[in-house]
Amino acid sequence: AQKITQTQPGMFVQEKEAVTLDCTYDTSDQSYGLFWYKQPSSGEMIFLIYQGSYDEQNATEGRYSLNFQKARKSANLVISASQLGDSAMYFCAMREGAGFQKLVFGTGTRLLVSP
Amino acid sequence: GAGVSQTPSNKVTEKGKYVELRCDPISGHTALYWYRQSLGQGPEFLIYFQGTGAADDSGLPNDRFFAVRPEGSVSTLKIQRTERGDSAVYLCASSSPDITEPQHFGDGTRLSIL
Repeated sequence: AQKITQTQPGMFVQEKEAVTLDCTYDTSDQSYGLFWYKQPSSGEMIFLIYQGSYDEQNATEGRYSLNFQKARKSANLVISASQLGDSAMYFCAMREGAGFQKLVFGTGTRLLVSP
Repeated sequence: GAGVSQTPSNKVTEKGKYVELRCDPISGHTALYWYRQSLGQGPEFLIYFQGTGAADDSGLPNDRFFAVRPEGSVSTLKIQRTERGDSAVYLCASSSPDITEPQHFGDGTRLSIL
């Protein structure tokens, strides 16, 4: 089974609208971390937001928020007030266990923001 | 401060040659990771160092791949007898001792095997 599933290969949104990018995960660990990264066409991986499995509040970072539903094993990224510069690939990733561990990435969602 | 630095940014070489890819992590970051990203895919884990030792090398695809971090800072990923299937972007990341902090990525080395 895939550890991280991103079912939306591509998403379109109009500028200033909100968009939700889906991510579901599969783990038997009680302690894990979920991350979202943005990868523009230039190629760099930019960290956006982090959610720990024991965090009771949904993470927020500026225009980014994470809709964390632990029972459903989903960690959807919500981008509010989309901007043209948000057009990029978005990757959901998971770190299993409590220590320093590798990240397992999904296949990504390409977001296109139109004027 | 300076981010993760990877050199070269691009490398083109012929099948069968040996290549070395370098990663200079963020100062003070004890953990260093190598990933490989093929076109249209998410990054895939190769190896992770904690200090000088490889804590997890389960992602290395075969014994042609090897990585070192002799002084606990700069790391080199070495690929012997390169094959066309090794063509990809090789990403390096580092992280601080705080596990809630993210891994910070370099811009990657685009490796093309002709």
